[in-house]
Amino acid sequence: AQRVTQPEKLLSVFKGAPVELKCNYSYSGSPELFWYVQYSRQRLQLLLRHISRESIKGFTADLNKGETSFHLKKPFAQEEDSAMYYCALRGYSSGAGSYQLTFGKGTKLSVIP
Amino acid sequence: GAVVSQHPSWVICKSGTSVKIECRSLDFQATTMFWYRQFPKQSLMLMATSNEGSKATYEQGVEKDKFLINHASLTLSTLTVTSAHPEDSSFYICSARGRGGELFFGEGSRLTVL
Repeated sequence: AQRVTQPEKLLSVFKGAPVELKCNYSYSGSPELFWYVQYSRQRLQLLLRHISRESIKGFTADLNKGETSFHLKKPFAQEEDSAMYYCALRGYSSGAGSYQLTFGKGTKLSVIP
Repeated sequence: GAVVSQHPSWVICKSGTSVKIECRSLDFQATTMFWYRQFPKQSLMLMATSNEGSKATYEQGVEKDKFLINHASLTLSTLTVTSAHPEDSSFYICSARGRGGELFFGEGSRLTVL
């Protein structure tokens, strides 16, 4: 079974401080990992995916297979980063016979001015 | 970017009635759509995978007869909550897979069953 764990429900940081949103996963195969973001009163949207190794809005995330982690980082938090962040894993489910996206419970990031 | 639209965004119904929620991919075709349920302060839980022209694949614990899914075209999937009860009150979200494999999410539909 695949599982995604985000240990922090809420993370508060001051503007300009570094941010790290933790994500750990459990999956027997080679995972495909994503970070999704949901701003207030907006729909869920893709922030970044590990295979593209890109930086979006200053955020980066590195897949660490040894630690089974995919933490989301940003060196200097901005007020507009305040949102709900979900880590997700796309893996094959033999029970369903298809690939599935499993979400973590989410971390609410609050950037204090 | 690709847009997925859900309708209605908010619905209140009486216990025992059925409610249909639509999920449309507005500018792309989606052979696969997904339906999620989100409880307050909880994560999205996958309910079922909807495949165009075939039966939906339901997750363990999700009642097929309770949550009817129809994916009749490449741009429309519907979720019908039959004989709704207060415990079915929740936020239902759909997503559609684009050509590149990326998921695009609808705005969500909040169902309140009185």
